[in-house]
Amino acid sequence: DAKTTQPTSMDCAEGRAANLPCNHSTISGNEYVYWYRQIHSQGPQYIIHGLKNNETNEMASLIITEDRKSSTLILPHATLRDTAVYYCIVSNAGGTSYGKLTFGQGTILTVHP
Amino acid sequence: DAGVTQSPTHLIKTRGQQVTLRCSPKSGHDTVSWYQQALGQGPQFIFQYYEEEERQRGNFPDRFSGHQFPNYSSELNVNALLLGDSALYLCASSSLQEGNTIYFGEGSWLTVV
Repeated sequence: DAKTTQPTSMDCAEGRAANLPCNHSTISGNEYVYWYRQIHSQGPQYIIHGLKNNETNEMASLIITEDRKSSTLILPHATLRDTAVYYCIVSNAGGTSYGKLTFGQGTILTVHP
Repeated sequence: DAGVTQSPTHLIKTRGQQVTLRCSPKSGHDTVSWYQQALGQGPQFIFQYYEEEERQRGNFPDRFSGHQFPNYSSELNVNALLLGDSALYLCASSSLQEGNTIYFGEGSWLTVV
């Protein structure tokens, strides 16, 4: 699976949009970009994933660049409950690595009042 | 619809003992993966079960073994416990027939003393 690079930490004011970047310059054509978050002492929570098109769901939006070498997770209106570690993961979903996610250190997002 | 459920939530074992952790996948999911998360680290892939067989394995010793039952539930067994096995053990489930999304349980906290 391709390696990802994320900032170690980020801050965001409550009510503002949180934009979390991720670099995955070695991504292969059949690899998806997944985002998970983990609130202290809980299991990782699925947020969103995409292949090459931008995606949006009730939690967030995922913007993938045209060359697919980077992406941005957008939380449109951050709340204090969004404070968590956010993981960007690249995985060959459906291929030989199906179901295997390689986690990095992630980005610690702190939302402050 | 219950998500991924794990038991027990917390347990304490003595060095050298054996432990069994249990996981029930999300309804409709047939693939179960196990992860180990040490304090301050991202989850690390242990192994994956599909059709009652181990399909993929991470870099973990043979002391770590597992099983999947016909109803898709799974067990993780760790023999000859070491202090370094103290961690959060996470179960994740998925199904190719239901898309590429992988869901995690809340985990089992194991402390080895």
